[in-house]
Amino acid sequence: GESVGLHLPTLSVQEGDNSIINCAYSNSASDYFIWYKQESGKGPQFIIDIRSNMDKRQGQRVTVLLNKTVKHLSLQIAATQPGDSAVYFCAESYAGNNRKLIWGLGTSLAVNP
Amino acid sequence: GAVVSQHPSRVICKSGTSVKIECRSLDFQATTMFWYRQFPKKSLMLMATSNEGSKATYEQGVEKDKFLINHASLTLSTLTVTSAHPEDSSFYICSARDSGIGGSYEQYFGPGTRLTVT
Repeated sequence: GESVGLHLPTLSVQEGDNSIINCAYSNSASDYFIWYKQESGKGPQFIIDIRSNMDKRQGQRVTVLLNKTVKHLSLQIAATQPGDSAVYFCAESYAGNNRKLIWGLGTSLAVNP
Repeated sequence: GAVVSQHPSRVICKSGTSVKIECRSLDFQATTMFWYRQFPKKSLMLMATSNEGSKATYEQGVEKDKFLINHASLTLSTLTVTSAHPEDSSFYICSARDSGIGGSYEQYFGPGTRLTVT
């Protein structure tokens, strides 16, 4: 399953499928990008990050892709599990603003067993 | 490693009273901490940047006299909501940046504090 961030804030997938969550970032000066997972009533949890000198980075079951040409970031989750159900936020930062995080609107991922 | 705690996790207070929320970096030092506010089903909204030993920098539209921030040590920042009103009810989250890792941009987040003003 795949979301387009602002236009599809909720993504519903079947357990075991791959999920793709998309994010359009705003600032061409941003050089550091992070994906966070937030479960209900909890603080954001770091998933994976990427710097602008890379276009792909892989973690355990997750991959982040960065396309600077179109200012697009995506998070791919392989073999999605019920425990992946949460809201996912992308965030960007750049050196000129003390590395404050600029947050996306979030995408809610629901994994159906 | 890189654990941030918040206390309390939940607080209910009466309108007109003040509430203090603590944010601690447990296993690292943080010269910079951030305070966020989050409404249901919304993204995090940065309220202010807390700098150890100096005044906090508030985002546009955030009342500094309403939300008092103190960052007196490298492991503790506090947010005091003064004269709280029901519209201040929200989920408050802090984060801390590890001062000890050169070039690290990562922020570590606390578990959040749910404030309800009655």
